[in-house]
Amino acid sequence: DAGITQSPRHKVTETGTPVTLRCHQTENHRYMYWYRQDPGHGLRLIHYSYGVKDTDKGEVSDGYSVSRSKTEDFLLTLESATSSQTSVYFCAIKGDGHNSPLHFGNGTRLTVT
Amino acid sequence: AQSVTQLGSHVSVSEGALVLLRCNYSSSVPPYLFWYVQYPNQGLQLLLKYTSAATLVKGINGFEAEFKKSETSFHLTKPSAHMSDAAEYFCAGGTGTASKLTFGTGTRLQVTL
Repeated sequence: DAGITQSPRHKVTETGTPVTLRCHQTENHRYMYWYRQDPGHGLRLIHYSYGVKDTDKGEVSDGYSVSRSKTEDFLLTLESATSSQTSVYFCAIKGDGHNSPLHFGNGTRLTVT
Repeated sequence: AQSVTQLGSHVSVSEGALVLLRCNYSSSVPPYLFWYVQYPNQGLQLLLKYTSAATLVKGINGFEAEFKKSETSFHLTKPSAHMSDAAEYFCAGGTGTASKLTFGTGTRLQVTL
């Protein structure tokens, strides 16, 4: 496996509370991504980063923010969790080559009650 | 913008039968295309990728895919299904630097005795 660690692996939280998910890589890759996976929707991009302090929105970014202060860490924050954010969240990394594939972490299962 | 469509959310085949999972893309420029596999409670693993070097791409576990520009397709095949192939399969595409991939909604493959 590519060196990607997501934490926590599982989390249950209440509506309205802030939640931060962490992605850590040991590959020194420039690109990092956060996706959410929901039945019938496949994977949808939330935010991505193309370098330290360089981030951009994906197709489902509302209600989420990200930060990347170091190459190896990419944090996803739900400022005020809602039940619609119950999902499985995947972090991915990618090398610089134009045809480099994404490599995925094992996911974080988040339940908002 | 790149979009990817997977036809059939569920496919069932008998062990030893041909596996055919369909993927169509829409792009005004040559795309980069990928197939990923996801086993239960795991992240996505790369099966194979198309990067214009060859239209027939061989991947891991005996899978292959053929890029057909005239049909805008990149279907995944395997001559003989094995029980261990039961999983969810995702087609993904990107253009340019492929820094952002768009995923299809996935096809769950069931293999029966």
